[in-house]
Amino acid sequence: AQSVTQPDIHITVSEGASLELRCNYSYGATPYLFWYVQSPGQGLQLLLKYFSGDTLVQGIKGFEAEFKRSQSSFNLRKPSVHWSDAAEYFCAVYSGAGSYQLTFGKGTKLSVIP
Amino acid sequence: DADVTQTPRNRITKTGKRIMLECSQTKGHDRMYWYRQDPGLGLRLIYYSFDVKDINKGEISDGYSVSRQAQAKFSLSLESAIPNQTALYFCATMKAGGTNEQFFGPGTRLTVL
Repeated sequence: AQSVTQPDIHITVSEGASLELRCNYSYGATPYLFWYVQSPGQGLQLLLKYFSGDTLVQGIKGFEAEFKRSQSSFNLRKPSVHWSDAAEYFCAVYSGAGSYQLTFGKGTKLSVIP
Repeated sequence: DADVTQTPRNRITKTGKRIMLECSQTKGHDRMYWYRQDPGLGLRLIYYSFDVKDINKGEISDGYSVSRQAQAKFSLSLESAIPNQTALYFCATMKAGGTNEQFFGPGTRLTVL
């Protein structure tokens, strides 16, 4: 069965600093990978997704993620964090067989220091 | 107007009460999902449906039931609510054969006292 691990429960960065959120997945076939963001009191918004092709994908709000098959990773990055990026971030892998469901990591909460 | 709507947005109820959470979508998607979110646990799948006649249990279906009244409507019921069902509940939709992206509603915050 597929699984997703987000090793960092909580990360604090200063505004303007760079950011990397880690995500490791377990899935037998080529994965479909997603990053979602949840702002306080809000629903989930898709930041970016990877299906195939270029392993560096660009998303909204200046985020990017790199798929590394050899490391089973799909880390999210942003070169300069803004205070409005404070939120919880979820990595997810899609199972194309059977349930066609998303399996989510437990999330990483990002705090931004002004 | 929002593509995926959930009602109510907030609900407080008592142990033993029957509760129904409703989800409607205007995206024309055939697949619909119910998740619950608990702090530190991420989102976990409760039930999913591929069409009106196709209902499937997810990871944590015990204590829940669902109804797909139409392609656009998918309801989640708690027959006898208990306190550990206090959580944030999300509905999501996905188009079969599309980009495999799921679109989420705004969530329903349920508190069981």
